[in-house]
Amino acid sequence: ETGVTQTPRHLVMGMTNKKSLKCEQHLGHNAMYWYKQSAKKPLELMFVYNFKEQTENNSVPSRFSPECPNSSHLFLHLHTLQPEDSALYLCASSQVRVGGNSYEQYFGPGTRLTVT
Amino acid sequence: AQKVTQAQTEISVVEKEDVTLDCVYETRDTTYYLFWYKQPPSGELVFLIRRNSFDEQNEISGRYSWNFQKSTSSFNFTITASQVVDSAVYFCALSEKLELTGGGNKLTFGTGTQLKVEL
Repeated sequence: ETGVTQTPRHLVMGMTNKKSLKCEQHLGHNAMYWYKQSAKKPLELMFVYNFKEQTENNSVPSRFSPECPNSSHLFLHLHTLQPEDSALYLCASSQVRVGGNSYEQYFGPGTRLTVT
Repeated sequence: AQKVTQAQTEISVVEKEDVTLDCVYETRDTTYYLFWYKQPPSGELVFLIRRNSFDEQNEISGRYSWNFQKSTSSFNFTITASQVVDSAVYFCALSEKLELTGGGNKLTFGTGTQLKVEL
């Protein structure tokens, strides 16, 4: 496979469930990102991992828990979510270069999450 | 704080018309990058172009062209001879370098412009 893949593509979960979203990038990048896209709102950055280390947590509630076991895989663990967490969750990756600059991010197709 | 404004929420055109999508940004950084992404109904954001703040040359790629004007903090996107397949939401984004460990760039997105191209 090429690019950035995400599974599952669709997920419906109750407020008491625990589930995980998975992202895998096949681009050889060293930085990965989670974004949330809600209706009528700009994309919101949630987490950034650079070389497997979390470098950004954008004030995300603790019911979202990221995990980055290696530079190719990124997970988002979900538990006790609220209906307002229903959204499209997008994963992205990029290559961070010398000096810390990275360029364009490549996105996966997203997971459409519905919390009931 | 960085900000990207896409004032056009939705644009409808007839196929073969030219259309320009506006993007205005705010940043205090002297070095920054601007991007355009396309999001078709399938949901995946597709990277279209990156422009750095030092390069104000306009760029053309097939039917797509971009006009970067630093003086007005704008980075507009024009599609010439639009086609139905161009129907999508288009996002303009601005990068901010993450300083914590020097890694990664935080993208600030605009709210997007829904482009509908009809026959």
